[in-house]
Amino acid sequence: EAQVTQNPRYLITVTGKKLTVTCSQNMNHEYMSWYRQDPGLGLRQIYYSMNVEVTDKGDVPEGYKVSRKEKRNFPLILESPSPNQTSLYFCASSSGGAGGYGYTFGSGTRLTVV
Amino acid sequence: GQNIDQPTEMTATEGAIVQINCTYQTSGFNGLFWYQQHAGEAPTFLSYNVLDGLEEKGRFSSFLSRSKGYSYLLLKELQMKDSASYLCAVWGDYKLSFGAGTTVTVRA
Repeated sequence: EAQVTQNPRYLITVTGKKLTVTCSQNMNHEYMSWYRQDPGLGLRQIYYSMNVEVTDKGDVPEGYKVSRKEKRNFPLILESPSPNQTSLYFCASSSGGAGGYGYTFGSGTRLTVV
Repeated sequence: GQNIDQPTEMTATEGAIVQINCTYQTSGFNGLFWYQQHAGEAPTFLSYNVLDGLEEKGRFSSFLSRSKGYSYLLLKELQMKDSASYLCAVWGDYKLSFGAGTTVTVRA
């Protein structure tokens, strides 16, 4: 089944403790992206990747890192999480970076930083 | 920058029709998407418009006017399961930019 897999689904952590949210897709998509979703603000892009070893900042990259060492994986790293990073996070992938194909989303990761 | 506006909430009766409007001002445009999102779940694809006009897909239709920076999603024969958030999104500048979403509540 074609899918984007995120782990974990739920995570509660403490301020400053480094964490990684994994994302993997089995569709051989070149384009992958991370979003966060907050009430009233909608989905905002954190980082995106056009291909292996090619990443770029989205609208809200502060406090996050990503890497793209393999085509299928695109982990999101929070080096020192803070309470304002409490949010619902989605990973997405697409077969076309120039539009027309839409995204396939992962199931989401609900992160709480206390 | 990207500015995408849609109403926050709409309520309608089962069996009725609801139209969700979306206006956008974006620095790049390669198409407009509509997604449905149930609470706590991932968005799912509903429709895609890149040329002006109406695209119909079952009970859902989407319209685009590029010159006006305007789109709408039309939901016909509303069912209780259509209660969800509907997201308008524009593809441009190598990303999909989303509006804040419109929560549609369907009442019996």
